[in-house]
Amino acid sequence: QVQLVQSGAEVKKPGASVKVSCKASGYTFTSYSMHWVRQAPGQGLEWMGLINLRDGATVFAQTLQGRVTVSRDTSTTTVYMELSSLISEDTAVYYCARRATGTGQSDFWGQGTLVTVSS
Amino acid sequence: DIQLTQSPSFLSASVGDRVTITCRASQGISSYLAWYQQEPEKAPKLLIYAASTLQSGVPSRFSGSGSGTEFTLTISSLQPEDFATYYCQQLKSYPLTFGGGTKVEIK
Repeated sequence: QVQLVQSGAEVKKPGASVKVSCKASGYTFTSYSMHWVRQAPGQGLEWMGLINLRDGATVFAQTLQGRVTVSRDTSTTTVYMELSSLISEDTAVYYCARRATGTGQSDFWGQGTLVTVSS
Repeated sequence: DIQLTQSPSFLSASVGDRVTITCRASQGISSYLAWYQQEPEKAPKLLIYAASTLQSGVPSRFSGSGSGTEFTLTISSLQPEDFATYYCQQLKSYPLTFGGGTKVEIK
């Protein structure tokens, strides 16, 4: 069965960076892409970006361009999202979500990783 | 960017009620729309994709319709486990965007 297991909660100071991992299993890793989505406390969902797991190509939301990096390790079927220059507004739960083939909806989601940015 | 406006943002309903949620796009997105359900403290769950296709394993009381700029999610008979927040998402163009959400609470 498809599973996406994310790394644990993080607490970071403003200005620092955070790296969240998403371990995929139960399907052919490189046949899909992976979305990253975040949700600030009590707020809605915000799409962050996407990585093609076959060739590593990425596309990001303009609001995060330059601060977010997404990479993958095909040998361990793990995707990484790194966010730099953290500010308090980056406090959120971060989700990885598999992009389904066809119209590209997120058909499987990780459990989420809470990142807290606080001095 | 394509904006998605959901209405209502909050609704109170009873078990057994028929519930309809609307999602309007700021420009045409054909049928590139998905609906998700999110329970508190949980990851979203895919309900509908391509505007009207039911995701495998999702109960048939959920249905989606629409194309272009106006879409609806209907729950034909609300069940206790359906009390949650629902989001639409457009998949037509980057950046992908979500609606603001509709919280369905027990009357």
